Amino acid sequence: AQSVTQLGSHVSVSEGALVLLRCNYSSSVPPYLFWYVQYPNQGLQLLLKYTTGATLVKGINGFEAEFKKSETSFHLTKPSAHMSDAAEYFCAVRQAGNQFYFGTGTSLTVIP
Amino acid sequence: DAEITQSPRHKITETGRQVTLACHQTWNHNNMFWYRQDLGHGLRLIHYSYGVQDTNKGEVSDGYSVSRSNTEDLPLTLESAASSQTSVYFCASSDSDRSSYEQYFGPGTRLTVT
Repeated sequence: AQSVTQLGSHVSVSEGALVLLRCNYSSSVPPYLFWYVQYPNQGLQLLLKYTTGATLVKGINGFEAEFKKSETSFHLTKPSAHMSDAAEYFCAVRQAGNQFYFGTGTSLTVIP
Repeated sequence: DAEITQSPRHKITETGRQVTLACHQTWNHNNMFWYRQDLGHGLRLIHYSYGVQDTNKGEVSDGYSVSRSNTEDLPLTLESAASSQTSVYFCASSDSDRSSYEQYFGPGTRLTVT
């Protein structure tokens, strides 16, 4: 069975500091990988995705993630945190078929 | 613009009552999904559908049912609401065409069972 692990349910960073949210997955075949962001009282919004090709993918709001097959990881980064980045972030994997498997989420707090 | 809508956005019901949550998408997607979101569990799949008349059980399907009579709608029914079903429910859809890959989410329904 597929699983997605997000290390750290809560991450706090200072405004302007590097954001690093970790995601590891279990998969025997290359998956499709996604990061979603959820702002309070809203649905999930796609931040970025990896399907094929370049392993470093760029998303909205200055976020990017790198697919590392050898480490089965897909960590999310942003060089400089902004107050508006405070939200819940979910890593997800899609394999054969159309089902997604989500991590348990990481709540990002940005300290002014 | 295409979208997914959910109604109601907030619902309070009593234990034992039947409740139906609506999900409507205008993306013309074949695939539709229902998740529940609970603290510490992330999103867990309840039911999903790959097309009209197709429905499948997900990870946490007990006490829930769905039906798919057209492409646009996938209502979720709680047959006899229980306090353990207090949660936030999200509907999502995706295209069967591999070129799109991602799921699109509705705004959610917050359900409280008292």
